[in-house]
Amino acid sequence: EVQLVESGGGLVQPGGSLRLSCAASGFTFSSYWMSWVRQAPGKGLEWVANIKQDGSEKYYVDSVKGRFTISRDNAKNSLYLQMNSLRAGDTAVYYCARTGGGVVGLVEYWGQGTLVTVSS
Amino acid sequence: DIQMTQTPSTLSASVGDRVTITCRASQSISRWLAWYQQKPGEAPKLLIYKASSLESEVPSRFSGSGSGTEFTLTISSLQPDDFATYYCQQYNTYPYTFGQGTKLEIK
Repeated sequence: EVQLVESGGGLVQPGGSLRLSCAASGFTFSSYWMSWVRQAPGKGLEWVANIKQDGSEKYYVDSVKGRFTISRDNAKNSLYLQMNSLRAGDTAVYYCARTGGGVVGLVEYWGQGTLVTVSS
Repeated sequence: DIQMTQTPSTLSASVGDRVTITCRASQSISRWLAWYQQKPGEAPKLLIYKASSLESEVPSRFSGSGSGTEFTLTISSLQPDDFATYYCQQYNTYPYTFGQGTKLEIK
């Protein structure tokens, strides 16, 4: 059974940093593109970033470029999102997501999410 | 960025009804479109991919159609478990983008 378990969310002040982690199990982690998708409270879904199987390609939505960094450790079956210079607009539930087989942008499995709140 | 527009934003319907949700893309995305269902407090769930392919274990009352810029999600006979919010997503071009959602409510 595919499982994605996020951690690292919490309350942070504007301008602060936070690192999210996602522990993956139930599939061969190193074989799949992985993504982060977020959802502001009461709002819709927003794709944030994704990373290729070997980490050689990474893509971001414009609003987080230069502030967020996606990374992975295939030996630990883990995905990460380093978030710097956080803003109130980054407040959201952040979902770790696994892509569908062979299709980069299709999210087949989702974690339960971790809430990030940016507030003073 | 490709804008995805869903209509309606809210839909009131009864158990047994046939309902259709429309998703329009601001430019052609071929058939690279997915539909997700989300219930309150839960993560989204993939229903349909490549516009019309049904994800494994998703009931056959769900169906998708369309290509290019216009797509539809149809539920042939609403069941109590179907009342939720539905999102379309294009995965043709970065950044991948979602529609704003359609909330399906009980009439």
